[in-house]
This record gives sequence, C-alpha cells and structure tokens, in this order.
Amino acid sequence: QKEVEQNSGPLSVPEGAIASLNCTYSDRGSQSFFWYRQYSGKSPELIMFIYSNGDKEDGRFTAQLNKASQYVSLLIRDSQPSDSATYLCAFKGASNFGNEKLTFGTGTRLTIIP
Amino acid sequence: DGGITQSPKYLFRKEGQNVTLSCEQNLNHDAMYWYRQDPGQGLRLIYYSQIVNDFQKGDIAEGYSVSREKKESFPLTVTSAQKNPTAFYLCASSMGRSRGDQPQHFGDGTRLSIL
Repeated sequence: QKEVEQNSGPLSVPEGAIASLNCTYSDRGSQSFFWYRQYSGKSPELIMFIYSNGDKEDGRFTAQLNKASQYVSLLIRDSQPSDSATYLCAFKGASNFGNEKLTFGTGTRLTIIP
Repeated sequence: DGGITQSPKYLFRKEGQNVTLSCEQNLNHDAMYWYRQDPGQGLRLIYYSQIVNDFQKGDIAEGYSVSREKKESFPLTVTSAQKNPTAFYLCASSMGRSRGDQPQHFGDGTRLSIL
C-alpha cells in the first residue's frame, strides 16, 4: 500500500463551481497535513495546513481532515481559471517524530474550464 | 524580502562532471531540505538538515552530497556517480522541530540537464 494516494487527474471543473481534491494516507499516526499548489514549471506553494480533525477555512479554500478514515481534502469554492494547477498533499508521519520530514503525494492536476 | 534563493535557475552538466546547486535562505529557519522532482512525479527527498553541521540522507541520497556550514546555506552537489541527474531540484526550509509541526517553504528550483 502506498503511503499517500492522490487521483492524478486531470480533474476538470467549470469556473465558479467547487473543486474537491482528495488525498488518502496509510500512516494512522500522521499528525500534520499540508496542501501545496504547483503551477506548471514552478515550485510548490503552500496553500493550507491542518492538524486537527474537522474543517479549516481560509478564503475560498477549505481543508478537511478525517483521521479515522485517513483522508484529507481540499475544497476550492468559486473556482477561477487561475486555480488551474497541480495540487500536492503532504503529511508528517508518525515515523518522523522528532524531525520535520514530509511525505508528498504525486499530485492532482486541476483544470478550471471558463 | 525574506525567502529562499536557489541558483542557478538552469544548469547543464557534462559527462563525469560534478555540479553544485546553491540554496540560501534569510528566514532564520533551522531546517533545510533538498528534493528532486521528475516529470509527472512527486517530490523525492535527497537530503535534509535540521541544524548547522548536521544532515541526514533522504530516500534517494546516492550520487549526491551536501554540507551545512552556515544556517543560511545548504548547497547540493550532484556528483558524476548520479547517472540520471536530469530533474527539477527544489530546496525547502522550515522553522525547525522545536517549533512544532511547521510547513516547508520552497525556493524557485533549479533545472539540471545533461549535455
């Protein structure tokens, strides 16, 4: 079983709709979860981080964490063409206690259709 | 402005040559990381350092070397032993383990190609 799984996409969403990106992980002891956005040819940019079960909102972005089901999601409301990018989820597993190593998913490519 | 600076942006390596990628940060971060990203792939950790004068191997350290003589700097050398060096190399930093689980922030990356 892979440590982290993301649907590679592409995921196509109409402009103005809600884009939903999901990530599942295998390490039950994982504590911290991060979402990064990566435009083509650019480096990853931090979008959200979440540590506790539930929802965390920041502007048009909402991160959802369910540790019992071992998944983390990113919702993007009122999707804009500028949201078209690859979204990487990352987490710190229990085996990395005492350091800050992160495990990254391979990313979901999101396309917002005008 | 505070940030992470990687140089050069593009680099070409000849057969049998060692090349060094620069990474400098002025965020006062304790921890620094090097990743490699291949087309359509996720990030793979090469080396990381949590404190000056200390570093650990990541998942794909063979053919690479690093040093951490200053808090601000974490250069990566791609040696001739790395047979498939063509990739996008990303440097990242974070506050450090004493601050709890902090996110990593990335530089703009260096694209390395074989001549």
